[in-house]
Amino acid sequence: DIQMTQSPSSVSASVGDRVTLTCRASQNINSWLAWYQQKPGKAPKLLIHSASTLQSGVPSRFSGSGSGTDFSLTISSLQPEDFATYYCQQANSFLPLTFGGGTRVDIK
Amino acid sequence: QLQLQESGPGLVKPSETLSLTCTVSGGSITSTTVYWDWLRQPPGKGLEWIGSVYYGGSTYYNTSLTSRLTISIDTAKSQFSLRLASVTAADTALYFCAGRLGFIGAFVHWGQGSLVTVSS
Repeated sequence: DIQMTQSPSSVSASVGDRVTLTCRASQNINSWLAWYQQKPGKAPKLLIHSASTLQSGVPSRFSGSGSGTDFSLTISSLQPEDFATYYCQQANSFLPLTFGGGTRVDIK
Repeated sequence: QLQLQESGPGLVKPSETLSLTCTVSGGSITSTTVYWDWLRQPPGKGLEWIGSVYYGGSTYYNTSLTSRLTISIDTAKSQFSLRLASVTAADTALYFCAGRLGFIGAFVHWGQGSLVTVSS
């Protein structure tokens, strides 16, 4: 199985801050990476696919980069609605599809 | 807009079979670009992919669950289903159904989730 490791596990930030979350794959996944935002008790929401492609309807303050094994999600100016947990997911190896452990972004 | 809705018992006894159904509306369950998936999230923990079914009936399972898992699709009812046998407390989780676009490998459409507790 491909292991996905996210760091940090949590981050405290203020509205307006630039925040960068990282995700590392245990082997090369090319650009087969997606990022999700999840709020408590809700389903995850797709933000980014193919490592850097913004999903339709997602604000442009979210951006993704990386390829191979190292990836990042950046929120350019944190908004109140962005406080949530973020997960990365690899789609290079289908069996099984795997997620990172998540990074919680909370209010400083 | 594609909508997914999980349904099924919220409480299952240990050693019994967990059964959930996902109803798809607002779009076609026979889409050639979408795989229909089940995922779960234990309380306070991360996401785990359970398995997938394609409209033609092909299935793909997480190897950690294969021996207990059955996923099926009923295109006439626009539903797909999950059956997980011999459950234990470790199977207590929020279960999500989702639609994954095959050409990007990402879960685009999600149900709201169904909490299943395994307890006697």
